[in-house]
Amino acid sequence: KAGVTQTPRYLIKTRGQQVTLSCSPISGHRSVSWYQQTPGQGLQFLFEYFSETQRNKGNFPGRFSGRQFSNSRSEMNVSTLELGDSALYLCASSLEAGVGTDTQYFGPGTRLTVL
Amino acid sequence: GENVEQHPSTLSVQEGDSAVIKCTYSDSASNYFPWYKQELGKRPQLIIDIRSNVGEKKDQRIAVTLNKTAKHFSLHITETQPEDSAVYFCAATGGFKTIFGAGTRLFVKA
Repeated sequence: KAGVTQTPRYLIKTRGQQVTLSCSPISGHRSVSWYQQTPGQGLQFLFEYFSETQRNKGNFPGRFSGRQFSNSRSEMNVSTLELGDSALYLCASSLEAGVGTDTQYFGPGTRLTVL
Repeated sequence: GENVEQHPSTLSVQEGDSAVIKCTYSDSASNYFPWYKQELGKRPQLIIDIRSNVGEKKDQRIAVTLNKTAKHFSLHITETQPEDSAVYFCAATGGFKTIFGAGTRLFVKA
């Protein structure tokens, strides 16, 4: 099976702009989670989607949003970009995140740089 | 809010020695505890995991222990090799949410 894929791999934006990142899970996986990874903060949970529904979210401002499509592909959007949003954005898919019992497989990430 | 503390932040061992990384979680709803290894420039890869109904799990040179009462879990790597050098993350999952520890940078000196 193909692994988790993310597009684009690299992105450069300026402050105030918005950005959309895409994640395609492993075939058959129905849950997608998003994380922000920075050197200072480590891996921070953004949100989790299952069957097009957000089931939980982390402590991020409303500028960060996401959605999931019927084919389980997911997108996240960051509006009004700030310098501090520069990070590696990782998505991970799992077969079905019941009460947290399924292994998550990570994509390669999208490295976002905000100038 | 939920938190996972991970120690140490950096660990340097001699090849062949053992390495131990410890984590403490706060959310009682957590019931799944994976460990990931991340090499420079690569994605995190699962190396071992443990579920809340199990106290210990072993896979070759890697073992994980869980003490639910104390909310502690640990990673043990025996007979370390230079290729074990990487950043290791513990995580606690529950309620459709995974919280990661800050990571441990492991150096294995040949």
